[in-house]
Amino acid sequence: SQELEQSPQSLIVQEGKNLTINCTSSKTLYGLYWYKQKYGEGLIFLMMLQKGGEEKSHEKITAKLDEKKQQSSLHITASQPSHAGIYLCGADSPNSGYALNFGKGTSLLVTP
Amino acid sequence: EPEVTQTPSHQVTQMGQEVILRCVPISNHLYFYWYRQILGQKVEFLVSFYNNEISEKSEIFDDQFSVERPDGSNFTLKIRSTKLEDSAMYFCASSLGLAGVYVLYEQYFGPGTRLTVT
Repeated sequence: SQELEQSPQSLIVQEGKNLTINCTSSKTLYGLYWYKQKYGEGLIFLMMLQKGGEEKSHEKITAKLDEKKQQSSLHITASQPSHAGIYLCGADSPNSGYALNFGKGTSLLVTP
Repeated sequence: EPEVTQTPSHQVTQMGQEVILRCVPISNHLYFYWYRQILGQKVEFLVSFYNNEISEKSEIFDDQFSVERPDGSNFTLKIRSTKLEDSAMYFCASSLGLAGVYVLYEQYFGPGTRLTVT
């Protein structure tokens, strides 16, 4: 089965700093999805990427897919306290009927 | 903005009891899912549902679990005889379509039902 490894596991950054979260798949990536989860709450959809090299941005968050490396990165520019939460990458594949398989998440804390 | 809703937000039940978790997916969505997240662990897929039947299910989704779309709006997950290890946050999700090799559809998640089995 496909495994998604996220790094780092947790991150503490000062407000205004940039940061990057990585998600590496053990198998071929078809669709890669980024979600944000606040502690004890539901998952909020951020972005989805399909094609190798695809890059998408929403406000200060940019996600990129490197198909050859089977990896995606999520970059936050000029972090704010509102960015705090758990970032999850999820991947689907034809072998799982396109159900989402998630990584363990990266916990982000932004300090003033 | 349309959203997935779930009830109850928290359910406490005794081991061996049956529970039904309810979800109202986004109204024009066609595919429905249940996931669960045991405390401190990753979100895990349970089952997907389309056109009134199960499309895909994981190893977790054994005979103790069932899903139903009893009317045009609700989507339910039933656990027949709860075990301690069923304690988790259960998330319902829905999507407009089913992802394929050449197309993606985002899944929208509800806020979750925290199930505590004592």
